[in-house]
Amino acid sequence: GQQLNQSPQSMFIQEGEDVSMNCTSSSIFNTWLWYKQEPGEGPVLLIALYKAGELTSNGRLTAQFGITRKDSFLNISASIPSDVGIYFCAGQLVTQGGSEKLVFGKGTKLTVNP
Amino acid sequence: DAGVTQSPTHLIKTRGQHVTLRCSPISGHKSVSWYQQVLGQGPQFIFQYYEKEERGRGNFPDRFSARQFPNYSSELNVNALLLGDSALYLCASSLWAEAFFGQGTRLTVV
Repeated sequence: GQQLNQSPQSMFIQEGEDVSMNCTSSSIFNTWLWYKQEPGEGPVLLIALYKAGELTSNGRLTAQFGITRKDSFLNISASIPSDVGIYFCAGQLVTQGGSEKLVFGKGTKLTVNP
Repeated sequence: DAGVTQSPTHLIKTRGQHVTLRCSPISGHKSVSWYQQVLGQGPQFIFQYYEKEERGRGNFPDRFSARQFPNYSSELNVNALLLGDSALYLCASSLWAEAFFGQGTRLTVV
């Protein structure tokens, strides 16, 4: 089945530093999505990418859809303590039956030291 | 606007019992999907429903079933619960490609 390799697994950074995480896959995806999840909550959508090569920003967050459609990265600039959480990449597949399912990476746990 | 709402938020069940989880999508969203998230992993796709019909099913046993109602709300049913079914069950609604998740139902099977 499809798998996403997300790295790094965890990051410990100082407030103000920039962060970069990425996802790779052997499969091609139609759409890449990045989510943030905090303890006891569901994932919150941060950025959606629809076209190969697309670079999209949302405040301090920037994400890109790889040219091959098999990878994506997320950058967070000037991190702050509230950036703490687990970040997930998700690739969207449309199956032959018309199902739209998300395949998730295992997450990157971000810790920000004040 | 209200986001995706799920109920209950927490649930404890005994092995062998069955459980029903409920989801109300964002107003106007016709697609509802269910995901299972075990500790330390990303969510795994269980079902997608669109306009009350099953569009897709993940690699889960037949003990898992779901349905969608005319108002687009959805139920996930799990029969003959196993300890391994303990997880956070997430519902997501979508209009196009972007999926928005509820806060989840934390199911503990003892």
